[in-house]
Amino acid sequence: KQEVTQIPAALSVPEGENLVLNCSFTDSAIYNLQWFRQDPGKGLTSLLLIQSSQREQTSGRLNASLDKSSGRSTLYIAASQPGDSATYLCAACNQAGTALIFGKGTTLSVSS
Amino acid sequence: NAGVTQTPKFRVLKTGQSMTLLCAQDMNHEYMYWYRQDPGMGLRLIHYSVGEGTTAKGEVPDGYNVSRLKKQNFLLGLESAAPSQTSVYFCASSYSEGLEQFFGPGTRLTVL
Repeated sequence: KQEVTQIPAALSVPEGENLVLNCSFTDSAIYNLQWFRQDPGKGLTSLLLIQSSQREQTSGRLNASLDKSSGRSTLYIAASQPGDSATYLCAACNQAGTALIFGKGTTLSVSS
Repeated sequence: NAGVTQTPKFRVLKTGQSMTLLCAQDMNHEYMYWYRQDPGMGLRLIHYSVGEGTTAKGEVPDGYNVSRLKKQNFLLGLESAAPSQTSVYFCASSYSEGLEQFFGPGTRLTVL
């Protein structure tokens, strides 16, 4: 059974710092790996999707990498801003492409 | 373009009562999903649909039923609500398998 773990559970950084959020998964047979952002009391917003054949994806200040062999993905946020404060969730998509298995998230707080 | 909408936003039920949550999407997506989010458990897939008239079980389907009579709508039913079903319910949709999922704003359900 696929299990997804995110470390750390919470992170506080000053504005401007570069940071890395970690995600690990137990079964390397995945369709893709997705990163989401969730603001308090809101739904999820998709940030990046990395296909199983890809190594990384970039969008603006965000860069996500995928290493299937080691069962790891990282989300790199450059030059963090207070507006980046949210919970970040990673999710491994099963091989059929029909189900996402989510980690419990990393709650990020960026202070000005 | 409203994206994914959910009705209602909040609901309080008594044990044993029934209710239906409605999810609607206007993006012509084939796939739709129902998740629940609980503190300390993360998001878990309840049921999903790969097209009009189809449904399938996810990770935690017990106590729930679903229907997809129209492509744009996905209904989640609770026939006899239990306190263990107190949760935030999210609907999502995607164009096809393994593609980016778009989430609704959620329904906060409390069962007393």
